Amino acid sequence: KQEVTQIPAALSVPEGENLVLNCSFTDSAIYNLQWFRQDPGKGLTSLLLIQSSQREQTSGRLNASLDKSSGRSTLYIAASQPGDSATYLCAGAGGGADGLTFGKGTHLIIQP
Amino acid sequence: DARVTQTPRHKVTEMGQEVTMRCQPILGHNTVFWYRQTMMQGLELLAYFRNRAPLDDSGMPKDRFSAEMPDATLATLKIQPSEPRDSAVYFCASGLVVGDTDRYEQFFGPGTRLTVL
Repeated sequence: KQEVTQIPAALSVPEGENLVLNCSFTDSAIYNLQWFRQDPGKGLTSLLLIQSSQREQTSGRLNASLDKSSGRSTLYIAASQPGDSATYLCAGAGGGADGLTFGKGTHLIIQP
Repeated sequence: DARVTQTPRHKVTEMGQEVTMRCQPILGHNTVFWYRQTMMQGLELLAYFRNRAPLDDSGMPKDRFSAEMPDATLATLKIQPSEPRDSAVYFCASGLVVGDTDRYEQFFGPGTRLTVL
């Protein structure tokens, strides 16, 4: 059974800093890894999807990487802004099942 | 603006009552998922459908939960009877699978916040 772990659980940094959020998974048969953002009381917004044949994806100030051999993915946020404050969730699908297995998330606060 | 919609957004009910949650997937998407989010367990998969056929409902308590897709534009999740431990946010998500690929993006609805008293 796939298990997804995210560290740190919470992070607070000053505005303008570059930061990295970490995600690890136990089953290297993963074929999709998706990063989401969740604002308080809201749904999930898909940020980036990395397919197993890919190593990274970029969207604006966000860059996500996937290393299946080590069971890790990272989400890099450049030049952080207060509007980036949210919970970031990592989720993977694989092993013949389409449903996503989620980490518990990283609660990110960007201080103005 | 294509998005997944869910109704109701909030539901407060008493223990023992039936609860029905509805989801309209993005038009043209052929795979629909139900997830549940709680503080303790985080997000968990309950069930999912491909082309309206159930593929996996192993995450769902079978004695009280049921999920159906009456048509391609509607998915329902029912709880009967509801219990306080069912209090959670229930999310619907949809995606499009083309050909043999399993590699596709899932898009989530805003969720139904259920409180069972």
